[in-house]
Amino acid sequence: AQSVTQLDSQVPVFEEAPVELRCNYSSSVSVYLFWYVQYPNQGLQLLLKYLSGSTLVESINGFEAEFNKSQTSFHLRKPSVHISDTAEYFCAVSGIGSYIPTFGRGTSLIVHP
Amino acid sequence: GAGVSQSPSNKVTEKGKDVELRCDPISGHTALYWYRQRLGQGLEFLIYFQGNSAPDKSGLPSDRFSAERTGESVSTLTIQRTQQEDSAVYLCASSGSGLANEQFFGPGTRLTVL
Repeated sequence: AQSVTQLDSQVPVFEEAPVELRCNYSSSVSVYLFWYVQYPNQGLQLLLKYLSGSTLVESINGFEAEFNKSQTSFHLRKPSVHISDTAEYFCAVSGIGSYIPTFGRGTSLIVHP
Repeated sequence: GAGVSQSPSNKVTEKGKDVELRCDPISGHTALYWYRQRLGQGLEFLIYFQGNSAPDKSGLPSDRFSAERTGESVSTLTIQRTQQEDSAVYLCASSGSGLANEQFFGPGTRLTVL
């Protein structure tokens, strides 16, 4: 079984500031890792994922996440946020060989002008 | 359709009534998932379909909850004798058949049990 902890329920930041959304997981097997984003009044959509290979993965809109096996973390970062990044962000983990991901509680990113 | 659709978008019902929630996945997606999202909480897995069969229904919270899928397409989640604690957003997602495939989510059905 896997579990996911998103340490912050809300992260308020000012526009153009850097941000880090934290995600830690536990698992007895190797994992796949995901970040999903839910914009206001929309469904969840995949932001980025780690399956294997390079531990640093990037999205098309400037977010990146680094898989750290020793710390069992997959923190999401962006060097400069925009108002349009305001959304709920969910970290998810899936054990290799499993079709069922486990989702964290979500972190609400609030970007202020 | 272009994405996953769910109906109704909102449902208000009285305690004790039965409700049916519908999910139309992306055409060709063999995997279909149902989740529940309570206010301020993460996604709670309910059931997973591969084709029309449900190899994992471990997340269904009680025997009042059931789901079926037909034609490797539409799925219906049924909640019998609804209780106030069933109030939540019910999300459906579909994906291809491989492991670690991206899940495509519908907009959800917001269920309120009075």
